[in-house]
Amino acid sequence: DAGVIQSPRHEVTEMGQEVTLRCKPISGHNSLFWYRQTMMRGLELLIYFNNNVPIDDSGMPEDRFSAKMPNASFSTLKIQPSEPRDSAVYFCASSRSGGPMETQYFGPGTRLLVL
Amino acid sequence: DAKTTQPPSMDCAEGRAANLPCNHSTISGNEYVYWYRQIHSQGPQYIIHGLKNNETNEMASLIITEDRKSSTLILPHATLRDTAVYYCIALPPSNDYKLSFGAGTTVTVRA
Repeated sequence: DAGVIQSPRHEVTEMGQEVTLRCKPISGHNSLFWYRQTMMRGLELLIYFNNNVPIDDSGMPEDRFSAKMPNASFSTLKIQPSEPRDSAVYFCASSRSGGPMETQYFGPGTRLLVL
Repeated sequence: DAKTTQPPSMDCAEGRAANLPCNHSTISGNEYVYWYRQIHSQGPQYIIHGLKNNETNEMASLIITEDRKSSTLILPHATLRDTAVYYCIALPPSNDYKLSFGAGTTVTVRA
């Protein structure tokens, strides 16, 4: 299996620009997670989808962030407009289901730098 | 979710067992102890989890004290590829999808 695939791996943009991060979960996995990791705040869950439906978006920082999962094999996280404080590593993870103790498999991450 | 405390760093000799402690003195009865690790520039990787019994898989063993206030992750034969930051977290089953890592323990395996 190819694992969780994320693109791009690195993104440098200027403040105010729109940023779109992409994720392809492991085939057959029904749950998808978007996380953000920074030195200051560690790893934080942004949003969790189960069967393409957002279940928990309490971690989404503000209206500038939005996430979609149009089908079982693709998800996007969009930041519009981007700000320097959005600079972080963004991880996508998937699991077979969102149920208890289901192992989450992480992608390699997208390193975002907003200037 | 219970707070966990880990030492900031530790060294280990290649081929030797690495014992990583974690304190979770406020853990609730239904909270599981999870261990993940993150190798530099990679995404987090699940290692093992347990409730109160000791657990073992192909990667590691997890020893949880009888009072569940602390646990130890054991890497039986550390290799250079085990150099990573190791995170111990405690989560209830109802909320165990919400992973949140703090500083963790930076483990350096030396040849």
